[in-house]
Amino acid sequence: KNQVEQSPQSLIILEGKNCTLQCNYTVSPFSNLRWYKQDTGRGPVSLTIMTFSENTKSNGRYTATLDADTKQSSLHITASQLSDSASYICVVSALNFNKFYFGSGTKLNVKP
Amino acid sequence: DAGVTQSPTHLIKTRGQHVTLRCSPISGHKSVSWYQQVLGQGPQFIFQYYEKEERGRGNFPDRFSARQFPNYSSELNVNALLLGDSALYLCASSLALTGQTTGELFFGEGSRLTVL
Repeated sequence: KNQVEQSPQSLIILEGKNCTLQCNYTVSPFSNLRWYKQDTGRGPVSLTIMTFSENTKSNGRYTATLDADTKQSSLHITASQLSDSASYICVVSALNFNKFYFGSGTKLNVKP
Repeated sequence: DAGVTQSPTHLIKTRGQHVTLRCSPISGHKSVSWYQQVLGQGPQFIFQYYEKEERGRGNFPDRFSARQFPNYSSELNVNALLLGDSALYLCASSLALTGQTTGELFFGEGSRLTVL
């Protein structure tokens, strides 16, 4: 069964600290993996997109990693800001199938 | 340039009714996909359309249907509404089919449906 699991479900950190969010998937055959940021009540916004051959991709203070062998990805946020408070969603798509598998998201709360 | 626009932004229906949600993609984008997001959960994929044809379908009952028009806008229809259909319905547009490419998916702000 194609699934995407994210951990932790929620996380509270202090402003300026770093954090790492995890995504494990069983989607096969793998096509690509995306990380999205979703503010409450808004549509998701893309952070990174990675294919099988990529194992690191950065977007400002956001760095995503991918290990296609172990089917794991992580999103590392450096020097967190209050505006980073949001849900972070991992999305995996399967090759040859126009379907997207979403994780339930990690809700990040950055406190001053 | 306008982003993905969805209408209505909020609506309330009662059980058994029918609802139509609308989505206008970014100009030049030929693919539209629909997602259901129940409060506190991640989005669930419903449909993807490309060049007016259905190209992908998630695990949703036949009460859910959609279509894409010649101008690439799209409608999502839900019949015989159930309480469990209450959710944020998101539309996303892309230049091409994104399941097999790394093309960017751009989401609208969603239509919040409440079924009473």
